[in-house]
Amino acid sequence: DAGVIQSPRHEVTEMGQEVTLRCKPISGHDYLFWYRQTMMRGLELLIYFNNNVPIDDSGMPEDRFSAKMPNASFSTLKIQPSEPRDSAVYFCASSLGGIRYNEQFFGPGTRLTVL
Amino acid sequence: GNSVTQMEGPVTLSEEAFLTINCTYTATGYPSLFWYVQYPGEGLQLLLKATKADDKGSNKGFEATYRKETTSFHLEKGSVQVSDSAVYFCAVTGTASKLTFGTGTRLQVTL
Repeated sequence: DAGVIQSPRHEVTEMGQEVTLRCKPISGHDYLFWYRQTMMRGLELLIYFNNNVPIDDSGMPEDRFSAKMPNASFSTLKIQPSEPRDSAVYFCASSLGGIRYNEQFFGPGTRLTVL
Repeated sequence: GNSVTQMEGPVTLSEEAFLTINCTYTATGYPSLFWYVQYPGEGLQLLLKATKADDKGSNKGFEATYRKETTSFHLEKGSVQVSDSAVYFCAVTGTASKLTFGTGTRLQVTL
């Protein structure tokens, strides 16, 4: 398997623009997670899905952020409008079964820069 | 909620030195504990895990023992290599499918 695939790998945009990050989980995995990593706040869980259904979005910073998972092989994280403080590396991860016992596989991340 | 405290880095060691990275946690219930590693420019990878008290996780020469009495899960390796240079994250999960990560500890190994 190719692992978790994220696109784009790098995104540079201007403040106020819409940004869409994409993720393809490992085939057969039923959990999908979106994280944000910054120097100041470390690694934060934004939202996670189980069987394409959002389970916990308490980490989503504000209404400018939204995430969808229309099917088992695709998820998006959208920021509209983007702000400079959204600059971070965004990771998607997937797992087979709950993560209490099972490994979470991370994608390579999308580095977002908002000017 | 759950929380993880890791020793601050960076940790700089010479090759073949002994490594310890301290990790303590707070959690309700019966958490599982993990160490993940992040190499430059990559996502995190699972290094080892322990799912119950007194379990020892091990992988690639790294070890960590789940100590419930001290709420700790310290990472150790007897002889580090340059290729071990990375950021190491301790993480804890409880009954929900959420991982809480520590802030990460950067390890730099020199020749």
